[in-house]
Amino acid sequence: DAKTTQPPSMDCAEGRAANLPCNHSTISGNEYVYWYRQIHSQGPQYIIHGLKNNETNEMASLIITEDRKSSTLILPHATLRDTAVYYCIVRADTDKLIFGTGTRLQVFP
Amino acid sequence: NAGVTQTPKFQVLKTGQSMTLQCAQDMNHEYMSWYRQDPGMGLRLIHYSVGAGITDQGEVPNGYNVSRSTTEDFPLRLLSAAPSQTSVYFCASSPYPPGNGIWQPQHFGDGTRLSIL
Repeated sequence: DAKTTQPPSMDCAEGRAANLPCNHSTISGNEYVYWYRQIHSQGPQYIIHGLKNNETNEMASLIITEDRKSSTLILPHATLRDTAVYYCIVRADTDKLIFGTGTRLQVFP
Repeated sequence: NAGVTQTPKFQVLKTGQSMTLQCAQDMNHEYMSWYRQDPGMGLRLIHYSVGAGITDQGEVPNGYNVSRSTTEDFPLRLLSAAPSQTSVYFCASSPYPPGNGIWQPQHFGDGTRLSIL
């Protein structure tokens, strides 16, 4: 099973881009990278996912390196409401989605 | 359309008591799962179900039972509560299991905060 490594915490100024890294050096060829976030003990919220190509939606962009061993979630213009714990997940096996401890992002004014 | 509904939102139990955490979804999702989250930690998978009548263990299944008699409901049972089970419990659902080729994100409930004295 691929494991992920994320920094425990990061800060970002409001209005600036927040770049959250994730290492998944043991990822296999058919495993997707998923990002969720959890705001203040609410249930986690899906953000974005990708396999090889970079992805963008209304919430964020996902940049995956060519060797797929790492990825970066980009929040282009962070707001105070983006303060949350962000989880990078690589699918463990067919029926399980395994969360790690995530990165606590603090957006400050 | 209520999404994923968890009840109760808060509960305090004494050691040895039993209780059932309820989870219901109205989206006709086949896949449902239970996670627990301890202070300062990520979510850990307890049990999951890929459809009515089918359940399986996750990372931390000991001390918990589940059943899936209907598509809508996926209750989590604590048969004899222990202080180590003090946690926040989240239920989630999605149309298909995570590894299915037609992937959809999981929808999470608002959680049940359980304290065991």
